[in-house]
Amino acid sequence: KAGVTQTPRYLIKTRGQQVTLSCSPISGHRSVSWYQQTPGQGLQFLFEYFSETQRNKGNFPGRFSGRQFSNSRSEMNVSTLELGDSALYLCATTPGVVGTEAFFGQGTRLTVV
Amino acid sequence: AQKVTQAQTEISVVEKEDVTLDCVYETRDTTYYLFWYKQPPSGELVFLIRRNSFDEQNEISGRYSWNFQKSTSSFNFTITASQVVDSAVYFCALSEETSGSRLTFGEGTQLTVNP
Repeated sequence: KAGVTQTPRYLIKTRGQQVTLSCSPISGHRSVSWYQQTPGQGLQFLFEYFSETQRNKGNFPGRFSGRQFSNSRSEMNVSTLELGDSALYLCATTPGVVGTEAFFGQGTRLTVV
Repeated sequence: AQKVTQAQTEISVVEKEDVTLDCVYETRDTTYYLFWYKQPPSGELVFLIRRNSFDEQNEISGRYSWNFQKSTSSFNFTITASQVVDSAVYFCALSEETSGSRLTFGEGTQLTVNP
């Protein structure tokens, strides 16, 4: 079974730009969650999508948004990038049943300059 | 609100030593799930173990063992006879029945095993 695939692996963007990150889940996984990892704040939950609907949302500003497609692939978008958005963005997928273990992609390393 | 605390920021041991990583959690839910993940330098979080709140049985898997105690809200992880390949950041995480697949992570413990 293929694992969770995140693209791109690395990105460098300028302040004020926007960026779109992609996550392809394991086959059969309908839940996709996004996390931001920074040295200062650790791993923080952004949002979860299940069957194309946002099921959960963390405490991030509206500049962070996401969506999920009918094939369960998910994208997250960050608009008006700030220096503080530099982070490793991780995607995690599960079949969707509460309490099952999540499988993570290798992440997208975003650097905002 | 849920919270996970890993008080040990960094641990350094010599190969073959035993090491225990501590995890303390807070939740108001009666049904919840606890996890341990390992993050090597490549960045991907690797799932190690899952426990639900109704199963306090300790578990051993090879050199790894886990001690879940509801009375102290702890879910500690022990590596026996550590190896250099065990060097990584280890995260404890919590999910609640009412929160979908959302995981709340601890701060992580950087384990360094020296030869």
